[in-house]
Amino acid sequence: QKEVEQNSGPLSVPEGAIASLNCTYSDRVSQSFFWYRQYSGKSPELIMSIYSNGDKEDGRFTAQLNKASQYVSLLIRDSQPSDSATYLCAVADTDKLIFGTGTRLQVFP
Amino acid sequence: DTAVSQTPKYLVTQMGNDKSIKCEQNLGHDTMYWYKQDSKKFLKIMFSYNNKELIINETVPNRFSPKSPDKAHLNLHINSLELGDSAVYFCASSQDETGGIYEQYFGPGTRLTVT
Repeated sequence: QKEVEQNSGPLSVPEGAIASLNCTYSDRVSQSFFWYRQYSGKSPELIMSIYSNGDKEDGRFTAQLNKASQYVSLLIRDSQPSDSATYLCAVADTDKLIFGTGTRLQVFP
Repeated sequence: DTAVSQTPKYLVTQMGNDKSIKCEQNLGHDTMYWYKQDSKKFLKIMFSYNNKELIINETVPNRFSPKSPDKAHLNLHINSLELGDSAVYFCASSQDETGGIYEQYFGPGTRLTVT
């Protein structure tokens, strides 16, 4: 059974700090990785996709991928209270996505 | 200008009833999905359709029957509802590309409560 693991949190960071969210996956051949944000009572919203080793930046968000270590992370710079949500890591498995259970992020003023 | 829409948003019904959820996407995507998110917030694929053809059926009870009349619509019919079917059901869509899975965009969800 292919797995995607995330620390459930909550991860509490002060406003303005960098939030670091981590994800490990079991399938060595996975090629596509995604981060989704889900506010309470809302649907998952795609934040970032990453397909190659290294860093990918988009505004305050940076996704980092290390396929050798089977590890993908999401950094949120200058964290804001509005970033408080659950962040879901998703890994492609042939023709579907496997989601982690999510990390709850709390950004306090 | 909603990209992926679902109806209804809330559905409360009794055990044993039959209900349907509808999904429509206006993104021009080729692939549509149904996901179930349980009370512990775990999101799991149920079905996917590509251009009206069933691609994924993830060991879902056969009380659940998806139907795709065209590539912009994917419906989910549930027979003989059980308490354990209570969850949030999300529809999603993605552009079909060769070589892998690409970004999926989710609808607002349908919260199903079975009493």
